[in-house]
Amino acid sequence: KAGVTQTPRYLIKTRGQQVTLSCSPISGHRSVSWYQQTPGQGLQFLFEYFSETQRNKGNFPGRFSGRQFSNSRSEMNVSTLELGDSALYLCASRTGTGHNYGYTFGSGTRLTVV
Amino acid sequence: QQQVKQSPQSLIVQKGGISIINCAYENTAFDYFPWYQQFPGKGPALLIAIRPDVSEKKEGRFTISFNKSAKQFSLHIMDSQPGDSATYFCAASFRDTDKLIFGTGTRLQVFP
Repeated sequence: KAGVTQTPRYLIKTRGQQVTLSCSPISGHRSVSWYQQTPGQGLQFLFEYFSETQRNKGNFPGRFSGRQFSNSRSEMNVSTLELGDSALYLCASRTGTGHNYGYTFGSGTRLTVV
Repeated sequence: QQQVKQSPQSLIVQKGGISIINCAYENTAFDYFPWYQQFPGKGPALLIAIRPDVSEKKEGRFTISFNKSAKQFSLHIMDSQPGDSATYFCAASFRDTDKLIFGTGTRLQVFP
């Protein structure tokens, strides 16, 4: 059974540019969440999508956005990149919503902003 | 009030020993407390989870102890092995939103 696939694995962007990260959830998983991981702030929730609808959103500026497609694949976009956006971006998927459904995380996309 | 405080930041244990990681929270509205294990270059993986109506949950060598009155919970790894060397995160979640609020992580090193 394939896991959560995130592409690309590594990315280097220049300040001011925008970036799109992709996440393919486990087959059958309809919920996709995104987290940012940095040494300073740890793991922070960005947003969750379920059946193409944003269900929850974290405390990030509007430069961070996401969407989910009908096949449950998800993308997140960061516009006007700042040096502080350098982080490991993790996608997690699960079958449904609620605590009975545990998250499976991908290996992440490491974004470096220079 | 949404924070989860985790300690210690790092932990060194000898093979066969017991590893103990502690977490504390303030918000009594949290109702789900999972622990995640993360190896370098990988995403976190769910290890074990507990709800506040249970004081202890055991799965193999991993046990969560939960103290509702003290608003604390801990992970115990019995018979620690070098393969357990990883970063461990506690987390908490509210009933009406499944977003996870993570602790700052504990880097565990188990030496033979």
